[in-house]
Amino acid sequence: DARVTQTPRHKVTEMGQEVTMRCQPILGHNTVFWYRQTMMQGLELLAYFRNRAPLDDSGMPKDRFSAEMPDATLATLKIQPSEPRDSAVYFCASGLALTGLGGELFFGEGSRLTVL
Amino acid sequence: SQQGEEDPQALSIQEGENATMNCSYKTSINNLQWYRQNSGRGLVHLILIRSNEREKHSGRLRVTLDTSKKSSSLLITASRAADTASYFCATDVTGSEKLVFGKGTKLTVNP
Repeated sequence: DARVTQTPRHKVTEMGQEVTMRCQPILGHNTVFWYRQTMMQGLELLAYFRNRAPLDDSGMPKDRFSAEMPDATLATLKIQPSEPRDSAVYFCASGLALTGLGGELFFGEGSRLTVL
Repeated sequence: SQQGEEDPQALSIQEGENATMNCSYKTSINNLQWYRQNSGRGLVHLILIRSNEREKHSGRLRVTLDTSKKSSSLLITASRAADTASYFCATDVTGSEKLVFGKGTKLTVNP
């Protein structure tokens, strides 16, 4: 049963600490997306990758957030330093996109981050 | 920034009734998708409709797309308590592979 796996599921940290969230996309998928969900803003697109190359990270605060795909089985989202306003649920999603067309996305269960 | 806007924000109905949710968007799209999210869980894909399609069915789901009005609707027929969830539309903007989500409609189906 193929699924997107995210770790950790829950994280509580102090302001100023580094946070790393990990995602294992579904094998064979060529796109990976990071979204952040809050009550106020809904689902915000932070960054996405195609064939491991970052295509767009304009939704991400550049000074503190970074997203990478060190290999096809791992995507990471790092926040350094973390701030209380970063508290949210972070979702990773993967999909198989034809050239120029997006397709169905498969979401992980999310990483719930609380920054005190 | 949000591309899609769902309407209504919340909807409460009785089991067996139909539920209709609407989505409006701003720019040209390749396709429009609907997702469902149960409380505390990830989103699950329901249905995708391409920009050259007008209507699509999947089980109890019916989706329409009007590109001239930049709007879509999701109809769930004969609703069940298990359909209680938030429903999101997402647009795949032309020229981009980004999938941008609206803020969702929270559906409650009362037994």
